[in-house]
Amino acid sequence: SQQGEEDPQALSIQEGENATMNCSYKTSINNLQWYRQNSGRGLVHLILIRSNEREKHSGRLRVTLDTSKKSSSLLITASRAADTASYFCATFQGNRDDKIIFGKGTRLHILP
Amino acid sequence: ETGVTQSPTHLIKTRGQQVTLRCSSQSGHNTVSWYQQALGQGPQFIFQYYREEENGRGNFPPRFSGLQFPNYSSELNVNALELDDSALYLCASSPDRSYGYTFGSGTRLTVV
Repeated sequence: SQQGEEDPQALSIQEGENATMNCSYKTSINNLQWYRQNSGRGLVHLILIRSNEREKHSGRLRVTLDTSKKSSSLLITASRAADTASYFCATFQGNRDDKIIFGKGTRLHILP
Repeated sequence: ETGVTQSPTHLIKTRGQQVTLRCSSQSGHNTVSWYQQALGQGPQFIFQYYREEENGRGNFPPRFSGLQFPNYSSELNVNALELDDSALYLCASSPDRSYGYTFGSGTRLTVV
């Protein structure tokens, strides 16, 4: 079963607007990562936030993590057509047995 | 531009056959993980290797097996192929389990 659950499943916004995607998970984690995937090809790593961090920025991306609520959000500001893709959160649980669990993704469509 | 190369890009096999998928990671990436992604779904974690030893496994049967080699290449082997094994198989590597992963473009396997 999948740990991360993204919300919404699909999102369409106008170019220039901000896009917010949410992710919920079930168990304790070491870190949470966000990835982008274009047209069913390989995933591109966007940002990693560790379990002891609350917020992280990278360019137009802002990620928050609330471990008490087991949730994270990804904000893309000033969206562009090139941001059209599927976005996945992935939780990394590592003790003796590493597991990386992806959610089902949010399909983001930027309208011109 | 990805530093992880997967081969072949596409493959058609018959039910009951065996298949080997290959992945070449970046130098210094001691961690490699494999995923199965069905259409419209998030990647499902198959297993992970660190320095040639398996150190994590998802909910996949033993007919899914792997190897990691000292030259940063790895293999995913699937025996007794079933129709439901048709999917995109992704390889990802990282210098360390606490960093983000670099994904290859995947191998699309079709079982008929």
